[in-house]
Amino acid sequence: NAGVTQTPKFQVLKTGQSMTLQCAQDMNHEYMSWYRQDPGMGLRLIHYSVGAGITDQGEVPNGYNVSRSTTEDFPLRLLSAAPSQTSVYFCASSSPTSGGAGDTQYFGPGTRLTVL
Amino acid sequence: AQRVTQPEKLLSVFKGAPVELKCNYSYSGSPELFWYVQYSRQRLQLLLRHISRESIKGFTADLNKGETSFHLKKPFAQEEDSAMYYCALPSGTYKYIFGTGTRLKVLA
Repeated sequence: NAGVTQTPKFQVLKTGQSMTLQCAQDMNHEYMSWYRQDPGMGLRLIHYSVGAGITDQGEVPNGYNVSRSTTEDFPLRLLSAAPSQTSVYFCASSSPTSGGAGDTQYFGPGTRLTVL
Repeated sequence: AQRVTQPEKLLSVFKGAPVELKCNYSYSGSPELFWYVQYSRQRLQLLLRHISRESIKGFTADLNKGETSFHLKKPFAQEEDSAMYYCALPSGTYKYIFGTGTRLKVLA
């Protein structure tokens, strides 16, 4: 199993450009999430999904869209990139054992995004 | 509100010295807490979770409900322990709150 994969590894955008960060998992996990990692702020949840066709907002959703058309894929779209979105983005997946809370999350390798 | 606090941004210790990475939480109910680790240029991975009560790579963490803490400890630090450590707490169903992280540097 490849686990959780993310592409691209690095990306540089200009302000106003749009792009999609890809995330895929081959573990048949129901839950998938997107986090951003910023110095001094830890990981903050952007959006999450509890299954195909179901998504919801996390702590910092503004400027990002997600969709979940399949169990495997959970792309993150930046609609109009801003310098404040310069960050490292991590995708994670997990599988419920008992009600969803307290499950181990498996992370992708991250995408380092710079917005000029 | 649920919250995880890691008060130290950076902790430097010498090889062979004891390590304690602090984590305090705010949670109503019985929390399940996690420690995740991120080695240089690698993805985050689970280090340990309190429910399993395991010792991983020599690290242990005890949930102290009275002090609302889940500090990560290791009696003798090794250079390969140098990494970023995050404490995490489930927030409702399907969501997690992460602390701001502590960077551990083990000096030779």
